[in-house]
Amino acid sequence: AQSVSQHNHHVILSEAASLELGCNYSYGGTVNLFWYVQYPGQHLQLLLKYFSGDPLVKGIKGFEAEFIKSKFSFNLRKPSVQWSDTAEYFCAVNAGSGGGADGLTFGKGTHLIIQP
Amino acid sequence: DVKVTQSSRYLVKRTGEKVFLECVQDMDHENMFWYRQDPGLGLRLIYFSYDVKMKEKGDIPEGYSVSREKKERFSLILESASTNQTSMYLCASSSQGAGGYTFGSGTRLTVV
Repeated sequence: AQSVSQHNHHVILSEAASLELGCNYSYGGTVNLFWYVQYPGQHLQLLLKYFSGDPLVKGIKGFEAEFIKSKFSFNLRKPSVQWSDTAEYFCAVNAGSGGGADGLTFGKGTHLIIQP
Repeated sequence: DVKVTQSSRYLVKRTGEKVFLECVQDMDHENMFWYRQDPGLGLRLIYFSYDVKMKEKGDIPEGYSVSREKKERFSLILESASTNQTSMYLCASSSQGAGGYTFGSGTRLTVV
């Protein structure tokens, strides 16, 4: 079974600061990796995903993530955050061989607060 | 725009009641999922289904059951609601082969 660990439960940054949220997973086989965002009162939205190919993945709203297989990591980055990035961020993984039939395993989430 | 629709945004039920949470998707997805979301615990998979009438237990199936009689509809059933089932419940769907998962807006269930 897979597991996902997000390093920080709460992060507070000022606007224009750079962001990096850590995510590590444990699974012996091929994985698909995801970052989701949940803005206050809204549903989960996909920020970006990695299935294969270029390990540097670009997503929406200026976010990117890098898959480092040797470190079992998929950290989320943004060079300059905005107040509107205040949200809960979830890293998730599923088995690459599952074809989408398996559910996602989520980390516990990181609550990001951006101060004006 | 593709959608996963959960019938209720908020529900309040009494301990011991049988509770039905409904989810409908309009994307012709094969796979559907039920999660619960709790602060500090993230999302945990309760049950999922990869085909009509098929169901698989997730990580925390105890106290829950599911029904999938039609491809587009996936119901979560709390046979006898308890206060520890107070939570936000999220439905999701995905297509076979690849792609992402689409989530509904959630049902916040309070059991009193």
